[in-house]
Amino acid sequence: DAKTTQPPSMDCAEGRAANLPCNHSTISGNEYVYWYRQIHSQGPQYIIHGLKNNETNEMASLIITEDRKSSTLILPHATLRDTAVYYCIAAGGNRDDKIIFGKGTRLHILP
Amino acid sequence: DAGITQSPRHKVTETGTPVTLRCHQTENHRYMYWYRQDPGHGLRLIHYSYGVKDTDKGEVSDGYSVSRSKTEDFLLTLESATSSQTSVYFCAISGPGQDGYTFGSGTRLTVV
Repeated sequence: DAKTTQPPSMDCAEGRAANLPCNHSTISGNEYVYWYRQIHSQGPQYIIHGLKNNETNEMASLIITEDRKSSTLILPHATLRDTAVYYCIAAGGNRDDKIIFGKGTRLHILP
Repeated sequence: DAGITQSPRHKVTETGTPVTLRCHQTENHRYMYWYRQDPGHGLRLIHYSYGVKDTDKGEVSDGYSVSRSKTEDFLLTLESATSSQTSVYFCAISGPGQDGYTFGSGTRLTVV
């Protein structure tokens, strides 16, 4: 079973920041937090990952709480193209550790 | 996605027939994965490979077998297709210098 909990759906106005929460209270010390998204009918797309520190790349920012029990994915200026299902996943840093997907959050960007 | 190709993109087959789906990569990555995606279940891992001739089972491996005789190809076989195997199948790859997995575009399989 997935080790993370996400709200099933969220709305965000276009141009605003989208903040997607994720709870991972049972995360192990060597497990990373990964975020992927899946736009309708396409394969999932990697967004970002982190262990302890906050991370930022060209797509998003990842904020991880100090106790690592939760995190937030931030899309700074959401566009209609960001409408997708977003998956938060806790997985080890070794490539032998498999990515197990949960149900994710369906993000609707409203015009 | 660049570097990973799934074939066929769509297939309709009859119950009881064998079916093979192909995942081809040009990245020379060691790790390859097969997932299926169904409404209400999300993505579930079927089998994965961590090298040529090295494969292992995932969450939902019953009724499926895999083979990897070359680094670039990972084959998923349904020995005797059933209607419950109607699904969208995604392949993914992972390797050094790459963050996360790269997924293919998927194969939509319908078993009638």
